[in-house]
Amino acid sequence: AQSVTQPDIHITVSEGASLELRCNYSYGATPYLFWYVQSPGQGLQLLLKYFSGDTLVQGIKGFEAEFKRSQSSFNLRKPSVHWSDAAEYFCAVGASGTSYDKVIFGPGTSLSVIP
Amino acid sequence: DGGITQSPKYLFRKEGQNVTLSCEQNLNHDAMYWYRQDPGQGLRLIYYSQIVNDFQKGDIAEGYSVSREKKESFPLTVTSAQKNPTAFYLCASSAGQGVGDTQYFGPGTRLTVL
Repeated sequence: AQSVTQPDIHITVSEGASLELRCNYSYGATPYLFWYVQSPGQGLQLLLKYFSGDTLVQGIKGFEAEFKRSQSSFNLRKPSVHWSDAAEYFCAVGASGTSYDKVIFGPGTSLSVIP
Repeated sequence: DGGITQSPKYLFRKEGQNVTLSCEQNLNHDAMYWYRQDPGQGLRLIYYSQIVNDFQKGDIAEGYSVSREKKESFPLTVTSAQKNPTAFYLCASSAGQGVGDTQYFGPGTRLTVL
């Protein structure tokens, strides 16, 4: 069955430090991959997505993610974190299921930023 | 501005009552979705609709109902049959119907059962 795991429930980084959020997926074929960000009490906003081609994807707000097929991973990175990046981050996989196609969301990683 | 609106932002319900959450979009999107969000569990799909007057159950449809009478509207009713309705509910839409289409989310409705 398709699934998405985000091993880190919560991460704390200092402002200006680099960031990497991990995402692993389970899917038989090459999936559609997404990263979304959610500010407290708000909806989700798309940061970036990967379908095919270059495995390093650039997104909004200075984020990038790298697709590694051999590791079934799609980790999100940012070279220098800003206090406004504190939020919940969700990795998601678009997959064809047995009954219907759907997007599967991971459990999320909460990011705190220390000034 | 184009986007998705959800109302109300906060909703309180007594046990045994049905409540309806509103979702409206002016993006001219064909597909609309309802998700439930609980702490530490990510988003779970309740219902989705790919076209007007048609909708399908998602992973956790029991205790919920929807309608899609207009392209821009996709209300969700939380019925008294839903055993644990307290949660954050998110509505989304996408231009296409494929899993690769970007979903755009509303700001959410937080439902609390008293």
